[in-house]
Amino acid sequence: DAGVTQSPTHLIKTRGQQVTLRCSPKSGHDTVSWYQQALGQGPQFIFQYYEEEERQRGNFPDRFSGHQFPNYSSELNVNALLLGDSALYLCASTSQGASNTEAFFGQGTRLTVV
Amino acid sequence: LAKTTQPISMDSYEGQEVNITCSHNNIATNDYITWYQQFPSQGPRFIIQGYKTKVTNEVASLFIPADRKSSTLSLPRVSLSDTAVYYCLASGLGNYQLIWGAGTKLIIKP
Repeated sequence: DAGVTQSPTHLIKTRGQQVTLRCSPKSGHDTVSWYQQALGQGPQFIFQYYEEEERQRGNFPDRFSGHQFPNYSSELNVNALLLGDSALYLCASTSQGASNTEAFFGQGTRLTVV
Repeated sequence: LAKTTQPISMDSYEGQEVNITCSHNNIATNDYITWYQQFPSQGPRFIIQGYKTKVTNEVASLFIPADRKSSTLSLPRVSLSDTAVYYCLASGLGNYQLIWGAGTKLIIKP
């Protein structure tokens, strides 16, 4: 049983570019959350998707957007990249009705903006 | 802001029991306490979750006293591979947004 998978694992982009990160949730999970983790800090909640809709959003600008597909997989898009967007981007999946704090995380995508 | 406060770092030795405390003076009645472990450049991994009293699983124990103002994660007989950052979170069921602090960096020495 595959856990949460994210792609790509590493990415280097230039300031001002756009990036798309992908996540496939754990089998049986229908809810996907995205987090940004800067070096030495805890993850910060970006947003969560359920039933193909954004259900809740953290304190992130509109440059961060997402999508969830009918198969529950999800994408995170970041436009107009800034140097400060360099971070580990984590995807977590849960099952609706289960404890949302028992989340399963992917390995993350390390984004470097130069 | 995170609802929880933890020590920034701790050291211990192989074979010892390690207890990491977490303060949460103002959690809500429906908040659960959850601990995650994270290795460098990997996603966090769920360890244990509890509401009150003591919970034990195959890797750890979690003790939450009756006043629920703090909790203690206990790792029995640690090994070098337990070196990681440990996060304590407080969140209600159905609360979609997990708020993370900086965690406790645990270093296990030989």
